[in-house]
Amino acid sequence: DVKVTQSSRYLVKRTGEKVFLECVQDMDHENMFWYRQDPGLGLRLIYFSYDVKMKEKGDIPEGYSVSREKKERFSLILESASTNQTSMYLCASSFPTDYSNQPQHFGDGTRLSIL
Amino acid sequence: AQTVTQSQPEMSVQEAETVTLSCTYDTSESDYYLFWYKQPPSRQMILVIRQEAYKQQNATENRFSVNFQKAAKSFSLKISDSQLGDAAMYFCAYRSGGNQFYFGTGTSLTVIP
Repeated sequence: DVKVTQSSRYLVKRTGEKVFLECVQDMDHENMFWYRQDPGLGLRLIYFSYDVKMKEKGDIPEGYSVSREKKERFSLILESASTNQTSMYLCASSFPTDYSNQPQHFGDGTRLSIL
Repeated sequence: AQTVTQSQPEMSVQEAETVTLSCTYDTSESDYYLFWYKQPPSRQMILVIRQEAYKQQNATENRFSVNFQKAAKSFSLKISDSQLGDAAMYFCAYRSGGNQFYFGTGTSLTVIP
């Protein structure tokens, strides 16, 4: 089974801090994604990566950056955390477009609170 | 960007009864894939069922089945013999030939004992 592991289930940080959320997958997936999940808004894509060192902006990239130095690891960075970034963050991975019938696989999520 | 709409923010069903969750999508593509995901409270999002647009036959997985209407761009999920463990947030998702998946806003399903 595919395993997507997020480094923390719960995280509390202060405004202005630089925050790192880590995600690791073990299925050799080319694609990795970071979503933000808020009630009533569903999943909104922050960034995704289709290869090492490659990234593309999603729908809400402002205030975030990402890093993918190795195929299995995709990091989300909040450059200067703000209270409006309090949310649930989901990491996902999938095979590329040649396997479009394959679903995404998700981590458990990180519930981030910015005080 | 593709649009996926789930018009029912909340639904409830009696245990052992049947419930249908609706999903519509907007696309100009002819070849694409549709998915239903389940997210139990404080637990991981998992795949429930998938449908390839080129297949006319509706997908079925045990108590879960879909009603796929390609012309109407509709993809509803039917849960038969509902169980307490079916209580969750359900998300409909779309993928065409690209890398991105597009999600609806979710339907929260309550199962009443």
